[in-house]
Amino acid sequence: EPEVTQTPSHQVTQMGQEVILRCVPISNHLYFYWYRQILGQKVEFLVSFYNNEISEKSEIFDDQFSVERPDGSNFTLKIRSTKLEDSAMYFCASRDSYNEQFFGPGTRLTVL
Amino acid sequence: AQTVTQSQPEMSVQEAETVTLSCTYDTSESNYYLFWYKQPPSRQMILVIRQEAYKQQNATENRFSVNFQKAAKSFSLKISDSQLGDTAMYFCALIEGGSNYKLTFGKGTLLTVNP
Repeated sequence: EPEVTQTPSHQVTQMGQEVILRCVPISNHLYFYWYRQILGQKVEFLVSFYNNEISEKSEIFDDQFSVERPDGSNFTLKIRSTKLEDSAMYFCASRDSYNEQFFGPGTRLTVL
Repeated sequence: AQTVTQSQPEMSVQEAETVTLSCTYDTSESNYYLFWYKQPPSRQMILVIRQEAYKQQNATENRFSVNFQKAAKSFSLKISDSQLGDTAMYFCALIEGGSNYKLTFGKGTLLTVNP
């Protein structure tokens, strides 16, 4: 069964460093999403991506964040200069034609 | 803006019993979808069940069923014959049609199934 994959599973970084979180969506899906879950809190939408451009972004998704699809398979989230409050679980999801979103296992980002 | 509210931060149930998790939502759209996701300790997000707003019939998936009350904007999840593996955080979520289909989540209910 096809699935969304994410790497790395856990990333530890120093405050101010750049991180890139990677996702491989399900191959025939066209819509991609990033969500964030701070420990103990609800899952929050960050950004949606379609046809090689951002279709919607939340207030959280400020200039420190960017997304791209550098090739036909990967979908990345970059945080340019990490802050302590960026520590969270980051989930990638891709959507099928029935509007069901399939989530990856998540990347736990720890900013020290 | 759409909102999802889960008023039960924690619940517990005995194995083999039935439990109902509550969810209310608000949306101005007529086209929307509702979901329940399960998040076990591994933190993977797993879809449990979905409901299209235009469908009057309540969705069921094996031991999981929903009570969708559209007028009341209520979407509760019933788990029958609870199993230890059902222990997880459960999130109610909403997609509005035309909103890029992004998910809006509630704060979650931590369900513990006791042996």
